[in-house]
Amino acid sequence: GQNIDQPTEMTATEGAIVQINCTYQTSGFNGLFWYQQHAGEAPTFLSYNVLDGLEEKGRFSSFLSRSKGYSYLLLKELQMKDSASYLCAVRDTIYKLIFGTGTLLAVQP
Amino acid sequence: DTEVTQTPKHLVMGMTNKKSLKCEQHMGHRAMYWYKQKAKKPPELMFVYSYEKLSINESVPSRFSPECPNSSLLNLHLHALQPEDSALYLCASSQDGGGSYGYTFGSGTRLTVV
Repeated sequence: GQNIDQPTEMTATEGAIVQINCTYQTSGFNGLFWYQQHAGEAPTFLSYNVLDGLEEKGRFSSFLSRSKGYSYLLLKELQMKDSASYLCAVRDTIYKLIFGTGTLLAVQP
Repeated sequence: DTEVTQTPKHLVMGMTNKKSLKCEQHMGHRAMYWYKQKAKKPPELMFVYSYEKLSINESVPSRFSPECPNSSLLNLHLHALQPEDSALYLCASSQDGGGSYGYTFGSGTRLTVV
């Protein structure tokens, strides 16, 4: 089966740093993506990892360990607009992107 | 043009109705996808079209019928739906398997079956 797990909800303070974890067990692995989704809107692409290590893009960083089936998304200098759902997604075959359970992040003043 | 356009944005239909959802992209992407998303749940893959051919059907009931008339257009035909089919239907596209940029999603059609 396919399992991609994330914490359901997280709360953080404006200006702080938050780490959202994702663990996965899938039949194949061709890369891991992080998406942001505001309520009622389309998911938007944040980051991509296919090799082990850290990828940094501005305030967002993502880490992957393929041997552990583990990734995290790190958000720095949190802003109120970062309140959203964060979706971890694994591409198991070249055309099949499977989403994790999603983490709803609330940023408080 | 870097968008995936979905119409209509909202749709209410009865269980005996036939309706269609439309998705369009002009980015030259050759793979297109339909996802279903229930409230507070992640998107679930329904269908994948690759080079205008159906390549993945995730055991979706036959009351959902996809169609890809050309490389820019993807339709989802709906017939005899059930109230539990009410959800946000997302279309996405990618260049082949998505490379390092993943998929581009449309803003979705919010479907309510009454």
